[in-house]
Amino acid sequence: QFQLVQSGAEVKKPGASVKVSCKASGYTFTNYGISWIRQAPGQGLEWMGWISPKYDYTNYAENVQGRVTVTADTSTSTVYLEVRSLTSDDTAVYYCARELDTRHPNYFDLWGQGTLVIVSS
Amino acid sequence: DIQMTQSPSSLSASVGDRVTITCRATHDIRSSLAWYQQKPGKAPKLLIYAASTLQSGVPSRFSGSGSGTDFTLTISSLQPEDVATYYCQRYHSAPPTFGQGTKVEIK
Repeated sequence: QFQLVQSGAEVKKPGASVKVSCKASGYTFTNYGISWIRQAPGQGLEWMGWISPKYDYTNYAENVQGRVTVTADTSTSTVYLEVRSLTSDDTAVYYCARELDTRHPNYFDLWGQGTLVIVSS
Repeated sequence: DIQMTQSPSSLSASVGDRVTITCRATHDIRSSLAWYQQKPGKAPKLLIYAASTLQSGVPSRFSGSGSGTDFTLTISSLQPEDVATYYCQRYHSAPPTFGQGTKVEIK
């Protein structure tokens, strides 16, 4: 059974950083890319960034570029999302999602369960 | 960026009704469109990709059509378990973007 399992909820203060993990299992990790998508409370879905674990390529949304880093550890089949300089606008559920690694964006056929990040003083 | 606009933003229908949701792109995206279902408190679930290809395991009452800029998701006979928010997503060029969602409720 293939799945993506994310780390637990986080509460951070404004200005801090957060690192969320996404562990893949049940499939060949390097055959797929992983995107991070977030959903603010009561809002829609926002794509943040993507990594190809096979080629170590990344791509980021313009509005988070420079503040977000996505990395992959092929030895543990885990992808990480780090967000720095957090503000209340970063309060959201963060999802990792799998896509075919075709070097351009694709649809997402497998999702993690989501990680709630709350930014509050 | 290519923007995606869904309509309606919400709808209420009776069990057994045919339900149609529309998604429009600001530029031609060929057939690079997916549809997702999201139930409250859960992650989105892929229903359809390539505009009309049903994902494995998804009930056949769901169907998708369209190409270019105009797309449709149809539920042929609405069931109570279909209560959810539905999102379209365009891909193939960065950044992938989602519609704002359509909330489907039972009347």
